[in-house]
Amino acid sequence: GAVVSQHPSWVICKSGTSVKIECRSLDFQATTMFWYRQFPKQSLMLMATSNEGSKATYEQGVEKDKFLINHASLTLSTLTVTSAHPEDSSFYICSAREETGVNSPLHFGNGTRLTVT
Amino acid sequence: GQNIDQPTEMTATEGAIVQINCTYQTSGFNGLFWYQQHAGEAPTFLSYNVLDGLEEKGRFSSFLSRSKGYSYLLLKELQMKDSASYLCAVTGNTGKLIFGQGTTLQVKP
Repeated sequence: GAVVSQHPSWVICKSGTSVKIECRSLDFQATTMFWYRQFPKQSLMLMATSNEGSKATYEQGVEKDKFLINHASLTLSTLTVTSAHPEDSSFYICSAREETGVNSPLHFGNGTRLTVT
Repeated sequence: GQNIDQPTEMTATEGAIVQINCTYQTSGFNGLFWYQQHAGEAPTFLSYNVLDGLEEKGRFSSFLSRSKGYSYLLLKELQMKDSASYLCAVTGNTGKLIFGQGTTLQVKP
């Protein structure tokens, strides 16, 4: 089946620093990847859609200058949390569809737990 | 806009059957998905409905009524390992998958 790999699994950083999270589709190509954020005991909130070779599209309320997304190849998307603050501490999860078309399921990476101190 | 509602918590007994309901209002509809998520882990895909009716997959079944904006996930022969959050998610016209708040299911012996 489709495998999405996310790295790192967890990271602790100091306030004001930047953190990069990588999302890879291991056995398929993904022109589109999706980044979600999940706070404790809450559901997944879509942050942005990452498009290979073009700019990401962000959901309302998500700061594009703070959450930088780069999708330079068909198998890799990165999310950089810039100037992180404690309120950015969350579980970040990427996902991708193995097949094109909105009817195919999203496959999720294992997530990255970010803690900003 | 999109609105997806499901109960926050449910409790059931090992070996029993439980039904988790989901109602939705979306701009366009391209499919409804159910995911399972254990604490601290990423969601895993359970089932998908695009047409009305019941889809069965082993112990899990999912039902959809598009006219009513309603779906349910049915779990049979509950096992302790089924204790998890169950997320209802809908794809609308944009292709984005939007999640409900999730239902935390606790299976008791």
